[in-house]
Amino acid sequence: EVQLVESGGGLVQPGWSLRLSCATSGFTFSSHWMSWVRQAPGKGLEWVANINQEGTEKEYVDSVKGRFTISRDNAKNLLYLQMKSLRAEDTAVYYCARDHVAPGIIFDSWGQGTLLTVSS
Amino acid sequence: DIQMTQSPSSLSASVGDRVTITCRASQGIGNSLAWYQQKPGKVPKLLIYAASTLQSGVPSRFSGSGSGTDFSLTISSLQTEDVATYYCQKHNSAPHTFGQGTKLEIK
Repeated sequence: EVQLVESGGGLVQPGWSLRLSCATSGFTFSSHWMSWVRQAPGKGLEWVANINQEGTEKEYVDSVKGRFTISRDNAKNLLYLQMKSLRAEDTAVYYCARDHVAPGIIFDSWGQGTLLTVSS
Repeated sequence: DIQMTQSPSSLSASVGDRVTITCRASQGIGNSLAWYQQKPGKVPKLLIYAASTLQSGVPSRFSGSGSGTDFSLTISSLQTEDVATYYCQKHNSAPHTFGQGTKLEIK
């Protein structure tokens, strides 16, 4: 069974940094692109970042470029999202998502999410 | 960037009804469109990708169609368990934008 378990969320002040983690199991982690998708309270879904199997290709939504860094550890089956200069508008549930094997970035498995609140 | 616009934003229908949700891309995206279902308080679930390919395990009452800029998700016979918000998403190139969502309720 595919499992994705996010951790690292919490309450931080604007300008702070935080790292989210996603522990994966039940599939060959190193064979899949992986992504972070977020959902602000009561709002829709927003793709944040993705990373290829080797960790050599990364893409980001414009609003987080230069502030967020996605990375992975294939030996430990872990996905990360390092966030800095956090803003109130980054407040959201952050989901770790596995990419489907079909062409393109298609999210076929999702974690339960971790809530990040940015507030003073 | 390509924008994804869903309509309607909300929809109320009766059990057994045929329901259609549409998604329009501001530029052509071929068939690179996925649909997700998010039930209240739950994690999103992939329903359809490549515009019309049903994800494994998804009931056959769900179907997708379209290409280029205009797409649709159809539920052939609405069930109570289909109450959810539905999102489209372009999956060909970054940014992998979602539509704003369509909230489906039972009348």
